[in-house]
Amino acid sequence: AQSVTQPDIHITVSEGASLELRCNYSYGATPYLFWYVQSPGQGLQLLLKYFSGDTLVQGIKGFEAEFKRSQSSFNLRKPSVHWSDAAEYFCAVGYSGGGADGLTFGKGTHLIIQP
Amino acid sequence: DAGVIQSPRHEVTEMGQEVTLRCKPISGHDYLFWYRQTMMRGLELLIYFNNNVPIDDSGMPEDRFSAKMPNASFSTLKIQPSEPRDSAVYFCASSLRGGFTHNEQFFGPGTRLTVL
Repeated sequence: AQSVTQPDIHITVSEGASLELRCNYSYGATPYLFWYVQSPGQGLQLLLKYFSGDTLVQGIKGFEAEFKRSQSSFNLRKPSVHWSDAAEYFCAVGYSGGGADGLTFGKGTHLIIQP
Repeated sequence: DAGVIQSPRHEVTEMGQEVTLRCKPISGHDYLFWYRQTMMRGLELLIYFNNNVPIDDSGMPEDRFSAKMPNASFSTLKIQPSEPRDSAVYFCASSLRGGFTHNEQFFGPGTRLTVL
């Protein structure tokens, strides 16, 4: 069964500083990987996704993520965070077979931005 | 497109009452998913449909939970009778199979359910 681990429950970063959120997955085949962001009281918004090809993917709002098969990781990065980036971030893995099973989510990382 | 629409946004009910949550997926999407989000368990997949047919309901916690999709533009998640431990945010998501949209799910704003 697939699983996703986000080892950091909370992360505090100063505004303007760089950010890296960690994500490790467990899956037997080629995964489809996603990062979603959830602002307070809101639904989930897709930041970026990896299906195949270039292992460095660019997303919205200046985010990027790198797929490293050898480390089973898909870490999210941003070179300079803004106060509006404060939110909950979820990494998810999807099935790469013929179907469209639901995503398996990590528990999330709560990002706090210090002024 | 208006995105995935869920109603109500908030629901407060008393234990034992029936609760019905509603979802309208994005037009043209052929997959619909129901998730539940709690502090303890995070986001969990409850059930999903393909072309209005339930494919996997193994995440539905108990027989008190049921979901239907009578047509391509509407789905319901019903809890009867409701219990305080059902309190959570319930999300509906939809996706379109194929190509680079495969597995990319679009989420609704969620319904926050409180069972007293």
